Amino acid sequence: GQNIDQPTEMTATEGAIVQINCTYQTSGFNGLFWYQQHAGEAPTFLSYNVLDGLEEKGRFSSFLSRSKGYSYLLLKELQMKDSASYLCAVLDSNYQLIWGAGTKLIIKP
Amino acid sequence: IAGITQAPTSQILAAGRRMTLRCTQDMRHNAMYWYRQDLGLGLRLIHYSNTAGTTGKGEVPDGYSVSRANTDDFPLTLASAVPSQTSVYFCASRAGTGDYYGYTFGSGTRLTVV
Repeated sequence: GQNIDQPTEMTATEGAIVQINCTYQTSGFNGLFWYQQHAGEAPTFLSYNVLDGLEEKGRFSSFLSRSKGYSYLLLKELQMKDSASYLCAVLDSNYQLIWGAGTKLIIKP
Repeated sequence: IAGITQAPTSQILAAGRRMTLRCTQDMRHNAMYWYRQDLGLGLRLIHYSNTAGTTGKGEVPDGYSVSRANTDDFPLTLASAVPSQTSVYFCASRAGTGDYYGYTFGSGTRLTVV
């Protein structure tokens, strides 16, 4: 079966750095997405990785290792507005997105 | 403003009733999707459409039907609602179905079946 694992919840302090991990086992791989979802709102796109390595975009970076079936989202200089759920999703061999259950990130002052 | 519009925003529905959730996009995206999101579970695909005139079943299609008569509209119908269909429903679209095309989501419909 297809499976995407990420921690259910994480807590971090304002101004700090947090790394949210995602491991996946899917039928084929055509890229990995990270989305942010604030409570009661729709998911919004953060990043896309299809090649191994680190993609940096401002305070957010995303890393991919295809051989390990592993990705992480790195958030720097955390702000209170970063409190949200972070969803990892893999595009499988049929170009359908398989979603993880999401990681709820709580930022404390 | 370009994007996806879903209606209604929320609804309480009696079990056994028929309900259509509306989804309209103005971005001329080819592919459209319906997901449900339940606490503790990832987004699960109900039905999808890669282009106008075609539809396909996702991971959890039972009890739901869709149609794609044109590019812009992708309604989701619950023929006879059951309490297990209580969920938040998101409509999404993509410009294409290749490797990189970001998904754009509507704001969601919160449905409670009682």
